[in-house]
Amino acid sequence: SAVISQKPSRDICQRGTSLTIQCQVDSQVTMMFWYRQQPGQSLTLIATANQGSEATYESGFVIDKFPISRPNLTFSTLTVSNLSPEDSSIYLCSVVPRDKLYEQYFGPGTRLTVT
Amino acid sequence: RKEVEQDPGPFNVPEGATVAFNCTYSNSASQSFFWYRQDCRKEPKLLMSVYSSGNEDGRFTAQLNRASQYISLLIRDSKLSDSATYLCVVNIRNAGNMLTFGGGTRLMVKP
Repeated sequence: SAVISQKPSRDICQRGTSLTIQCQVDSQVTMMFWYRQQPGQSLTLIATANQGSEATYESGFVIDKFPISRPNLTFSTLTVSNLSPEDSSIYLCSVVPRDKLYEQYFGPGTRLTVT
Repeated sequence: RKEVEQDPGPFNVPEGATVAFNCTYSNSASQSFFWYRQDCRKEPKLLMSVYSSGNEDGRFTAQLNRASQYISLLIRDSKLSDSATYLCVVNIRNAGNMLTFGGGTRLMVKP
């Protein structure tokens, strides 16, 4: 399966600032996604990162708060803007490798704490 | 009603025990099913896909009942290393590659 890395692995940020998270895959993939996992909760899909076009956001998530880039088939960034303590969470990217149909593989996650 | 429902547990079992997790899904258009495992402070990892005919991988057996919209995971001869949260995951037809996650069932295997 694809090897996925995320940077940073964790960060502590002040409210009102922004954090950009990078997701890098070692091979070209068809799909890339961004999820949020709040403490003690399951995963919630934020958006699908589309290569060369605007991301597709799920209900409750907007581009102004969570801008996403995907300049090529192996890299994506998620920015969490205007941070508040409610944004403290783990953010995970996932990918669907080219030889898979629906199976998703996850990066190690970025643990964000907003003070 | 949640789209994918699981008993959150925790299930506390002794080593060597057999344990079963159940999961129900509400959307009859669901077409692909998976079990993921998530260790504490780690990312979810695909454990196995679930096929209509049922499938087995070593000590793990997954079954699907489309009529009842029900998925199960059976773990035989539990090991301490099986302690984790098990996530039931569903892909819905016409939702592209989007996955819907259950809340997870926590398993603790004790010596």
